[in-house]
Amino acid sequence: AQRVTQPEKLLSVFKGAPVELKCNYSYSGSPELFWYVQYSRQRLQLLLRHISRESIKGFTADLNKGETSFHLKKPFAQEEDSAMYYCALSSGNAGGTSYGKLTFGQGTILTVHP
Amino acid sequence: DTGVSQDPRHKITKRGQNVTFRCDPISEHNRLYWYRQTLGQGPEFLTYFQNEAQLEKSRLLSDRFSAERPKGSFSTLEIQRTEQGDSAMYLCASSLAYRPYEQYFGPGTRLTVT
Repeated sequence: AQRVTQPEKLLSVFKGAPVELKCNYSYSGSPELFWYVQYSRQRLQLLLRHISRESIKGFTADLNKGETSFHLKKPFAQEEDSAMYYCALSSGNAGGTSYGKLTFGQGTILTVHP
Repeated sequence: DTGVSQDPRHKITKRGQNVTFRCDPISEHNRLYWYRQTLGQGPEFLTYFQNEAQLEKSRLLSDRFSAERPKGSFSTLEIQRTEQGDSAMYLCASSLAYRPYEQYFGPGTRLTVT
């Protein structure tokens, strides 16, 4: 069974400080990992995908298969980063019916103080 | 197109009643997903459609739940004989079939069973 664990329900940092939101997963195959974000009064939306290896809004995330982790990092947090962040996993088999079926973690509420 | 819409936004019902929710996806999206989210948890996959075909259904979904997407456009989720444990936020999302991980979420329908 696939599982995503986000060990921190709440994370508070001050503006300009580095931030790291932790995500660990368990999956027997080759997974694809994602971060979704929900800002206050907005809908859940995709933030980034591990395969793309890009930086979105200053955030990056590296898939570490040895540690089965996909932590989200930003070197200098901004107040507008305050939101709920969800780590999610999908089967990496692009031809399979489960590709795109997302398993979400419990979420981490990030608060960036001025 | 204003994105994924869901109706109603809130539903209060008495235990034992049937309820039906509607989801209208982004028009060019051929995949449609239903998730359930309870307090303090991430979204939990229920089922998804590609066009009008229901391709996968969670084993957690009891036979009181049924979903349809008859013409490959909007979808309905029906819960029969509601129970208090059904109280949750029901989220709909849609995507293109070739980018199933990039899901666009609706605002959700909050169900309260009294």
